[in-house]
Amino acid sequence: QKEVEQNSGPLSVPEGAIASLNCTYSDRGSQSFFWYRQYSGKSPELIMFIYSNGDKEDGRFTAQLNKASQYVSLLIRDSQPSDSATYLCAVKTVYGNKLVFGAGTILRVKS
Amino acid sequence: DGGITQSPKYLFRKEGQNVTLSCEQNLNHDAMYWYRQDPGQGLRLIYYSQIVNDFQKGDIAEGYSVSREKKESFPLTVTSAQKNPTAFYLCAARDTPTDTQYFGPGTRLTVL
Repeated sequence: QKEVEQNSGPLSVPEGAIASLNCTYSDRGSQSFFWYRQYSGKSPELIMFIYSNGDKEDGRFTAQLNKASQYVSLLIRDSQPSDSATYLCAVKTVYGNKLVFGAGTILRVKS
Repeated sequence: DGGITQSPKYLFRKEGQNVTLSCEQNLNHDAMYWYRQDPGQGLRLIYYSQIVNDFQKGDIAEGYSVSREKKESFPLTVTSAQKNPTAFYLCAARDTPTDTQYFGPGTRLTVL
């Protein structure tokens, strides 16, 4: 079992819809979770991080964390074509200051 | 202008050559990381350094070497022992209070 798993996609949504991206992780002791966006040929850029169970909102983005079920999700409201990218989920390891990345989900927003 | 810089943007290596990728940061972060990304895959950790003059191997350190003589700089050398070095290399620095890693623009290495 991979430490951090994401559906590779592509996930296709129409412009203006809600895109829902999911990530599961294997280490129950993980405490810090991150979502990055990566455009083709570019480096990852941070969208948001979440530490506590529940929802965290930042503009059109909402991160949701459920530690009991070991999943973290990212919702993108009012999806725009410019949101088309690969979204990487990252989980901080319990021991050592390292991040483990999922392989990413490709999102395509169609206008 | 604060941030992380990597050079060169593109690098071509001949078989048997060692090449060094540069990573510099002016964010005053203690910890720095090197990742490799292959097409369609996530980031894999090569080496990381949590403080000057100290570094640890990541998951795929074979064929790579690093140094950390200054807080601002964390160069990565891809040696001839790395049999499949063609990839996108990313350097990151960690903001300690939030554990967030911020990335440089990357270096794309191609073996000729």
